Amino acid sequence: NAGVTQTPKFRILKIGQSMTLQCTQDMNHNYMYWYRQDPGMGLKLIYYSVGAGITDKGEVPNGYNVSRSTTEDFPLRLELAAPSQTSVYFCASSGERVTEAFFGQGTRLTVV
Amino acid sequence: KNEVEQSPQNLTAQEGEFITINCSYSVGISALHWLQQHPGGGIVSLFMLSSGKKKHGRLIATINIQEKHSSLHITASHPRDSAVYICAVRSAYGGSQGNLIFGKGTKLSVKP
Repeated sequence: NAGVTQTPKFRILKIGQSMTLQCTQDMNHNYMYWYRQDPGMGLKLIYYSVGAGITDKGEVPNGYNVSRSTTEDFPLRLELAAPSQTSVYFCASSGERVTEAFFGQGTRLTVV
Repeated sequence: KNEVEQSPQNLTAQEGEFITINCSYSVGISALHWLQQHPGGGIVSLFMLSSGKKKHGRLIATINIQEKHSSLHITASHPRDSAVYICAVRSAYGGSQGNLIFGKGTKLSVKP
């Protein structure tokens, strides 16, 4: 039972480069989320999805895009990387609104 | 003021001590989560509470809905309990469907 799988675990990007953080879950969860974690701060919501084909902005969406073409996959796209996007990114999923949340292992991204 | 406040921010204990981490929140919630984040970054869900008390091994979580307060207790602490413990609440009202609002975490270090 893989749960939530994120790739890559680490990445260094140059300013202006683009990349996609991959997230997949095998629990048939409708709800999926992308968070970023900055030092000394609580996790902040970037984007979320309540099901395939439906996405919406969270608290800190600027500089990011998402898509949800299948229930399993919820990739996060950075188009023009900036130093402010240096952070640890977590993907999470849950079955309904009031159930346990499952997290991926995180992606540590550095933009230089 | 953050919607979810944790105390203390940092906690050092000797092996065997009883540990309490507190979480206060200011919003109406449908559930409260306690999460554990080990060095290396992965986040694991420990408890999800909507009322009362839950116990799993040496961990006990309580919630008082009227006082908007939750506590996580660790009995007979062990160095392997060293981690960051994060309180997160799921808002009862609209907005990001099922999104969690996170505290900043409590860093626990248990010395042998």
